[in-house]
Amino acid sequence: DTGVSQDPRHKITKRGQNVTFRCDPISEHNRLYWYRQTLGQGPEFLTYFQNEAQLEKSRLLSDRFSAERPKGSFSTLEIQRTEQGDSAMYLCASSWTVGSSTDTQYFGPGTRLTVL
Amino acid sequence: GQQLNQSPQSMFIQEGEDVSMNCTSSSIFNTWLWYKQDPGEGPVLLIALYKAGELTSNGRLTAQFGITRKDSFLNISASIPSDVGIYFCAGRGFGNEKLTFGTGTRLTIIP
Repeated sequence: DTGVSQDPRHKITKRGQNVTFRCDPISEHNRLYWYRQTLGQGPEFLTYFQNEAQLEKSRLLSDRFSAERPKGSFSTLEIQRTEQGDSAMYLCASSWTVGSSTDTQYFGPGTRLTVL
Repeated sequence: GQQLNQSPQSMFIQEGEDVSMNCTSSSIFNTWLWYKQDPGEGPVLLIALYKAGELTSNGRLTAQFGITRKDSFLNISASIPSDVGIYFCAGRGFGNEKLTFGTGTRLTIIP
């Protein structure tokens, strides 16, 4: 399967713990995006990378959140000192961009985080 | 965060019926996308629209990019059970890479 993959699919943690999620984009895609989706809502943008550079961060991304894409391939999203309000589906997407032409974003299956 | 206005919020239809849903924005977009999401899964791309006025089909699905660049609609003809799910519109603005999503339309097929 050559689609976007995410790991783990589900994570249950206690409040105050740190969690880390991984995303593997479609192999030839140079852009990688993170979104968060709460119940009954559409996904909301968190941040995106072009290759290894993080180019934009949403105000939703508090200081407890950090994302990396060290080699321009897979990415990790870490949440420190989790809070119950962090419970959500975390979605990763990837796309291919050349110059000003951006392909559509393809999403992974998501990581469902539950903070107890 | 901002979410686009999507309507209707939910639809209950019988198999074989046609479905229509739309999405409006206060901002202009240069790309409109329609995704379908099943429970516990990520959104799956259905149709992408890149030009104002563009009408694009994908099987039984037809979507249009509004002339004003502030709206889009999606039609599904002759619905079948596997059409059940939540449909999201998403827009991307000029010089902006993030997608802004609608609030979703939940489609249920009544036996």
